[in-house]
Amino acid sequence: TQLLEQSPQFLSIQEGENLTVYCNSSSVFSSLQWYRQEPGEGPVLLVTVVTGGEVKKLKRLTFQFGDARKDSSLHITAAQPGDTGLYLCAGIFGAGSYQLTFGKGTKLSVIP
Amino acid sequence: NAGVTQTPKFQVLKTGQSMTLQCAQDMNHEYMSWYRQDPGMGLRLIHYSVGAGITDQGEVPNGYNVSRSTTEDFPLRLLSAAPSQTSVYFCASSLKAVQMTGELFFGEGSRLTVL
Repeated sequence: TQLLEQSPQFLSIQEGENLTVYCNSSSVFSSLQWYRQEPGEGPVLLVTVVTGGEVKKLKRLTFQFGDARKDSSLHITAAQPGDTGLYLCAGIFGAGSYQLTFGKGTKLSVIP
Repeated sequence: NAGVTQTPKFQVLKTGQSMTLQCAQDMNHEYMSWYRQDPGMGLRLIHYSVGAGITDQGEVPNGYNVSRSTTEDFPLRLLSAAPSQTSVYFCASSLKAVQMTGELFFGEGSRLTVL
């Protein structure tokens, strides 16, 4: 079983602060996704990254995929209470795999 | 579009009982899967299907059966429930198999408690 390590596990910040969460593996991802989950709901896709070194922006969220495709980060600028939720990274290991492996998630609380 | 629909949303079972969690999608997706989510464990893949008539095991398949007789439906069966199967179960589907970087669409989850 491939492992994805996410850090930090919990994060509580004030509105307006910046933050970064990380997703790491000892194996190479063929692709990596970030999801956001709110209480009582299923995860919702934020972004998919495929190419090493790739950077994608989604409003105040910036996603980076490491050059070696073993790590990724999610940076949120000027966090808002609406950003509160569980952030999950999920990766495909190997181009022929049918399995999407999830990390344990980072639980973010943004305090007004 | 209803998307991915799971029933029931809540269920309480006694140890040894059997039940089926239903999952239906109306997006004509090829790929369907079942995950369980436990505190501190993240989402773990139970079973998945890449098309009607084709199923395979994920990371934690023991105690669960699946079938895929139609494109739309992917039920998850618990044959003899155990307290260790207390969890929140999510069904998810994708237009194509996930290795093609397809987006997974999740249902709202089914919360199962086994006493």
